[in-house]
Amino acid sequence: DIVMTQSPLSLPVTPGEPASISCRSSQSLLHTDGKNYLDWYLQKPGQSPRLLIYLGSTRASGVPDRFSGSGSGTDFTLKISRVEADDVGVYYCMQALQTPRTFGQGTKLDI
Amino acid sequence: EVQLVQSGPEVRKPGESLKISCEGSGYTFGSHWIGWVRQKPGKGPEWMGIIYPRDSDTQYNPAFEGQVTISVDRSVTTTFLEWTSVRAADSATYYCTRHRCGGSCRPGKYYYGMDLWGQGTTVIVSS
Repeated sequence: DIVMTQSPLSLPVTPGEPASISCRSSQSLLHTDGKNYLDWYLQKPGQSPRLLIYLGSTRASGVPDRFSGSGSGTDFTLKISRVEADDVGVYYCMQALQTPRTFGQGTKLDI
Repeated sequence: EVQLVQSGPEVRKPGESLKISCEGSGYTFGSHWIGWVRQKPGKGPEWMGIIYPRDSDTQYNPAFEGQVTISVDRSVTTTFLEWTSVRAADSATYYCTRHRCGGSCRPGKYYYGMDLWGQGTTVIVSS
């Protein structure tokens, strides 16, 4: 299985400031079709996870443009340009290149 | 409204059987893969497997294959996750999720992520 490693595991932030989460995979997630099969999900307290980013950098429907994804191969980053109080929760990266899909350990973002 | 609605919380004793459900509505149910994800308290999600409602094609995480069965009933637009004999280690919250992916849901076709999630079903297994 592909191992996904996130850092940091905990990220205290100040509203209005930027935040960045790193995700590294044990194998390249770049497919021969030129796409990186890497998603980002946010799980707010007491809620189901929600899709933020797919294919490394494409925002899902309704996701604010404060969120951006970048990276290729084995190294990826989720950035929040200006953190808002509503952004608190646990952020997970997940690889969609191979079965089984595998998630990172999660990064807890709190204000 | 496009949604996945899961069945309610369950409590079982070790060795009992269990079947939980996930009903899709507001979209063409047969056209999108539906998967199941396990999450234990304080832990990250674990992908269990997916099923394509149109033909019941199924892919399992080897870690769960043989332990659970994923099935579908298109007539009621519902996907199921079933155990014949639950264990304490099966205690967790289970989410169903729509996978927007083409072909056999492998790279090379279209892919839009797991874009719709159910509200989760909590399963407690205790003697």
